[in-house]
Amino acid sequence: GQQVMQIPQYQHVQEGEDFTTYCNSSTTLSNIQWYKQRPGGHPVFLIQLVKSGEVKKQKRLTFQFGEAKKNSSLHITATQTTDVGTYFCAGVPTGGGNKLTFGTGTQLKVEL
Amino acid sequence: EPEVTQTPSHQVTQMGQEVILRCVPISNHLYFYWYRQILGQKVEFLVSFYNNEISEKSEIFDDQFSVERPDGSNFTLKIRSTKLEDSAMYFCASPVYARQGSNYGYTFGSGTRLTVV
Repeated sequence: GQQVMQIPQYQHVQEGEDFTTYCNSSTTLSNIQWYKQRPGGHPVFLIQLVKSGEVKKQKRLTFQFGEAKKNSSLHITATQTTDVGTYFCAGVPTGGGNKLTFGTGTQLKVEL
Repeated sequence: EPEVTQTPSHQVTQMGQEVILRCVPISNHLYFYWYRQILGQKVEFLVSFYNNEISEKSEIFDDQFSVERPDGSNFTLKIRSTKLEDSAMYFCASPVYARQGSNYGYTFGSGTRLTVV
């Protein structure tokens, strides 16, 4: 079945440093979504990318969807303590209905 | 922003007992989903429900699981005979629709933490 892997699994940064998480799917995706989950919380939708090579920005967050629509990345510029949490990508396979397959997640910790 | 409501927030049950988890998805949405997350792991798809029928289910969703819509607004996930490995957070989710009608992300409920002892 479809697998979605993320690296790194964990990342500790100093506040103000940049952070990037990478997401790779074993199959082509019709879209990729990103979610943030705070400790003890539920996944919160951040963004959806649909087009090959698409880049979207939300303030300090930059999201990319690969040309082959099998990989994606999330980059956070100048991290803040409020960025702490686990970031999951989640893909909908091409021709696969609406079922989301979540990535393995990257846990971000930000230290002052 | 529309909300997905789940009850209870925490359920402790003896192994072998039946549990029912409840969800009120975003109103007037025909699709909804159940996911689970074992502590410290990724979110896993269980089942999707469309227009009062199961539209897709994962390998996890075996005969011990069932999903129903007992009335117009509530959805339930039932686990007939719980096992220790069923301990997890269970989330229901509703798709969010963009103005043009296409799906744009999912709203997750705050989850039910199921502990099987």
